[in-house]
Amino acid sequence: QVQLVQSGAEVKKPGASVKVSCKASGYTFTNHYIHWVRQVPGQGLEWMGTINPSGVSTSYAQKFQGRVTMTRDSSTTTGHMELRSLKSEDTAVYYCAAFIPPVVGDIKCPHWGQGTLVTVSS
Amino acid sequence: DIQMTQSPPSLSASVGDRVTITCRASRGIDNSLAWYQQKPGKAPKVLLYGASRLESGVPSRFSGSGSGTDYTLTISSLQPEDFATYYCQQYYGTPLTFGQGTKVEIK
Repeated sequence: QVQLVQSGAEVKKPGASVKVSCKASGYTFTNHYIHWVRQVPGQGLEWMGTINPSGVSTSYAQKFQGRVTMTRDSSTTTGHMELRSLKSEDTAVYYCAAFIPPVVGDIKCPHWGQGTLVTVSS
Repeated sequence: DIQMTQSPPSLSASVGDRVTITCRASRGIDNSLAWYQQKPGKAPKVLLYGASRLESGVPSRFSGSGSGTDYTLTISSLQPEDFATYYCQQYYGTPLTFGQGTKVEIK
């Protein structure tokens, strides 16, 4: 079955960077986009961006342009999201997600990682 | 960007009640819509995708309907474990966008 397993919680100081990993299994990694979504405590869900199956192309939400980089490694079937110049307002749970059809040609079904809490505090 | 307008923001209901939550997209999304349930401290759980396809393991009291721009999540008989926050999400195009959430509380 499809699984997305994320790296563990992080505590960072303002101005630092964080890199969150998302290990994928149970599907053909090189066929599907990986998306990143975050949720600030007490708030809703916010899309950050996506990376295409080959890893050549990314699309980021304007809010994070210049501060985020998404990459992927097909040899380890892992996606990564790096956020730089962290501020206290970046304290949030970060999720990876992929949309995979149960069978080829079927409707795509969302699959999410378990989330990674990133705390930014001096 | 496709805007998702979800209503109501919150509701109070009793066990056994029928509950309906709606989501309207700012343009047609061709049934590329998912519904999630989220409990405090947990990741969103997929309930339905493709607007009406029940995710494996999700109780049949949850159902989804709609087409074009208007979609509905229905819980036919609310159970104690259903008190949570529910989100809709369109995945027709990027950026992926979410409804603002509906908090379902005990009456």
